[in-house]
Amino acid sequence: GEDVEQSLFLSVREGDSSVINCTYTDSSSTYLYWYKQEPGAGLQLLTYIFSNMDMKQDQRLTVLLNKKDKHLSLRIADTQTGDSAIYFCAEIPGSGYALNFGKGTSLLVTP
Amino acid sequence: GAVVSQHPSWVICKSGTSVKIECRSLDFQATTMFWYRQFPKQSLMLMATSNEGSKATYEQGVEKDKFLINHASLTLSTLTVTSAHPEDSSFYICSARDTGHPRNTIYFGEGSWLTVV
Repeated sequence: GEDVEQSLFLSVREGDSSVINCTYTDSSSTYLYWYKQEPGAGLQLLTYIFSNMDMKQDQRLTVLLNKKDKHLSLRIADTQTGDSAIYFCAEIPGSGYALNFGKGTSLLVTP
Repeated sequence: GAVVSQHPSWVICKSGTSVKIECRSLDFQATTMFWYRQFPKQSLMLMATSNEGSKATYEQGVEKDKFLINHASLTLSTLTVTSAHPEDSSFYICSARDTGHPRNTIYFGEGSWLTVV
């Protein structure tokens, strides 16, 4: 299938904001998701955005969606060491109903 | 929030034996569940889509006779790795679609580590 692209690695200092970017492939995708995976654990749904929205805010998390560019971003405000994990961007293509994942962005938060 | 439970979390088995992994949706019904495989430091690979009451749909390259999927009820899907080999060692994750949720959200289990020795 086509690829969902993410940068592989991001390092930030504790207290700074983190921005993880993703480009997806299918302009007819209805929902776009961000998942978090801590070492050795399964995926935790962080947030999602419907394709008719530009922005969604949920506590420290802000999701921005640019449909024209098929670009999705996740901003984590006041990043903490506990936020260190791999973050996956995912879409459900319009033609299917299984998630199509990016390769994940490893976020490292340093004190 | 909705919970998907996988069991076992860790399993070690001998080459040639079979091992079953269960995926349960605990507080919602899931007509569709998905099985993924994850190699170290790589993304998830969809193996198959499990549909309640019917045969699973396998992705290209996934051997259906090796990875048996059964979705006998609206809350349980099982993945059986038959005649396991060391190359089957991996992290297996299931997910379930909450079709009763207005946003059709998908939730993931905690994953099962399989080591074949």
